[in-house]
Amino acid sequence: GAVVSQHPSWVICKSGTSVKIECRSLDFQATTMFWYRQFPKQSLMLMATSNEGSKATYEQGVEKDKFLINHASLTLSTLTVTSAHPEDSSFYICSASPGLAGTGELFFGEGSRLTVL
Amino acid sequence: GENVEQHPSTLSVQEGDSAVIKCTYSDSASNYFPWYKQELGKRPQLIIDIRSNVGEKKDQRIAVTLNKTAKHFSLHITETQPEDSAVYFCAAGGTSYGKLTFGQGTILTVHP
Repeated sequence: GAVVSQHPSWVICKSGTSVKIECRSLDFQATTMFWYRQFPKQSLMLMATSNEGSKATYEQGVEKDKFLINHASLTLSTLTVTSAHPEDSSFYICSASPGLAGTGELFFGEGSRLTVL
Repeated sequence: GENVEQHPSTLSVQEGDSAVIKCTYSDSASNYFPWYKQELGKRPQLIIDIRSNVGEKKDQRIAVTLNKTAKHFSLHITETQPEDSAVYFCAAGGTSYGKLTFGQGTILTVHP
């Protein structure tokens, strides 16, 4: 299957700092990528849809100025958590699909566990 | 938007028994229904999926059924094994590739 890689897998930062998470599709091009957030023992909540070459589409209740998304190439999307606070601590997972070039299956990155002190 | 409800939230079975997890969805436009298995701290892994033009799909011990009229779909695992223990998520999507709405998840525990 297709491969989606995410980095870093875990990060610890101080409150008030910004953290960038990268999501790469290694063997296919993805004009669209998705960012999910998962709290312990909870489901995956879609945060935003990352669109290559254009602005991301955010889900209701997600602060666009807090969670900056950039999709500058067909294989890379980044999520920056700005001015992080302890309540931003969570497991962030990206995903992408080869779309019409594949079966429509969604492939996930390894996830990034963010801990804000 | 789409809303997916998943039940039960926890399921405990003995090794060798069958396990059934059920999901309902709200958007009649959804046409893709995958099931994911997630182990602690790991990424979700697709275990089986079904599209709206099919009523049932089977892959060894795992099967999924879909009732489009009632807007519900189910995961069936037969001859469960301890390594089947994990969190299982259903999802619905299809209006745009890759955009999925997930159910709340089911913690499956298979006792040896």
